[in-house]
Amino acid sequence: EAQVTQNPRYLITVTGKKLTVTCSQNMNHEYMSWYRQDPGLGLRQIYYSMNVEVTDKGDVPEGYKVSRKEKRNFPLILESPSPNQTSLYFCASSPNSGDSIYGYTFGSGTRLTVV
Amino acid sequence: QKEVEQDPGPLSVPEGAIVSLNCTYSNSAFQYFMWYRQYSRKGPELLMYTYSSGNKEDGRFTAQVDKSSKYISLFIRDSQPSDSATYLCAMSPPGGNKLTFGGGTRVLVKP
Repeated sequence: EAQVTQNPRYLITVTGKKLTVTCSQNMNHEYMSWYRQDPGLGLRQIYYSMNVEVTDKGDVPEGYKVSRKEKRNFPLILESPSPNQTSLYFCASSPNSGDSIYGYTFGSGTRLTVV
Repeated sequence: QKEVEQDPGPLSVPEGAIVSLNCTYSNSAFQYFMWYRQYSRKGPELLMYTYSSGNKEDGRFTAQVDKSSKYISLFIRDSQPSDSATYLCAMSPPGGNKLTFGGGTRVLVKP
């Protein structure tokens, strides 16, 4: 089954404790991206990657890091989480070819709570 | 002011009714317009995708784009309880590296 898999689904952590949210896709997509979803603010892009070893900042990159060492994986790293990073996080992927790039496949989300 | 505005709802309709959803936007560079459906505790899934102006129909779903008014719409005919979800509009300029999303409209279809 074609899918984007995120882990963990739920995570409660303490301020300052480094964490990684994993994202893996099995569709051989070039483009991958991370979004956060907050009430009243909708989905906002954190980082994106057009292909292996190519990453760039989205609208809200502060406090986050990413890497793209393999085509299928795009982990999101919070080096020192703070309470304002409490949110619902989604990983998405799409083919980087013409108009297809706009048809994202999303993961099921990671609900992160930082206390 | 947000680039994409969407009424949060909830929009409650009886089963079989037509659901009408819309978004307004301010960036005239947007050329690609999408509608995503998001069920509770799930990621968004792509419903409809249109380029530039005009209408597109897919089964019970019709998407319309009016670029002169910077206004897009999604209509759901013969609505079913399984259509109960949050509907997100999204858009991008050509060559854009991200989608700009509306905040989503929650729809409830009552049996």
